[in-house]
Amino acid sequence: DTGVSQDPRHKITKRGQNVTFRCDPISEHNRLYWYRQTLGQGPEFLTYFQNEAQLEKSRLLSDRFSAERPKGSFSTLEIQRTEQGDSAMYLCASSLAVGVETQYFGPGTRLLVL
Amino acid sequence: AQSVTQPDIHITVSEGASLELRCNYSYGATPYLFWYVQSPGQGLQLLLKYFSGDTLVQGIKGFEAEFKRSQSSFNLRKPSVHWSDAAEYFCARGTEYGNKLVFGAGTILRVKS
Repeated sequence: DTGVSQDPRHKITKRGQNVTFRCDPISEHNRLYWYRQTLGQGPEFLTYFQNEAQLEKSRLLSDRFSAERPKGSFSTLEIQRTEQGDSAMYLCASSLAVGVETQYFGPGTRLLVL
Repeated sequence: AQSVTQPDIHITVSEGASLELRCNYSYGATPYLFWYVQSPGQGLQLLLKYFSGDTLVQGIKGFEAEFKRSQSSFNLRKPSVHWSDAAEYFCARGTEYGNKLVFGAGTILRVKS
């Protein structure tokens, strides 16, 4: 069990650019979550997948955000036309959907939009 | 709507002293409750969880938490704090169907020597 990994760990971009983040879940986990955490706040749910199906999206996830999990393994989160308000830590978590689940978090990707 | 409240933004305790971090939740029959810890610039590490059964749950690093339905609380405790416990602590709840977690705003713990 190597844990949840995320890449990159840090990203600095200019306003208007597109960015893509990757999350690799714990290998046997079939659920994958994305959260966003801004300074001084707890993480807020963005979206989640069960296998390759995206089952729920938060209203926080504007149309500039898109997430995929094409083969039910790793996931990508893309932000198009970034804005300064997108600056945050983006956290990925995975879980096994058996009974009541426990989510395990990756180290996060910290995004700074200049 | 579901919510989780952590009333204390910052707490400072002396090394070796006891610790209690407060968490209150709203909504729902049996909540599924979690405490996570986050060191600066890092992801969240699970300390402990409550699903059902014994209302006093033990976690890693010597932490424990007690579920009190009558008070809608799930407070985190540690009898003797170590300097390495300095971090931010988040309480969270899930639903019967798992899915998303709802987090409190966090409590920053400072440990003074």
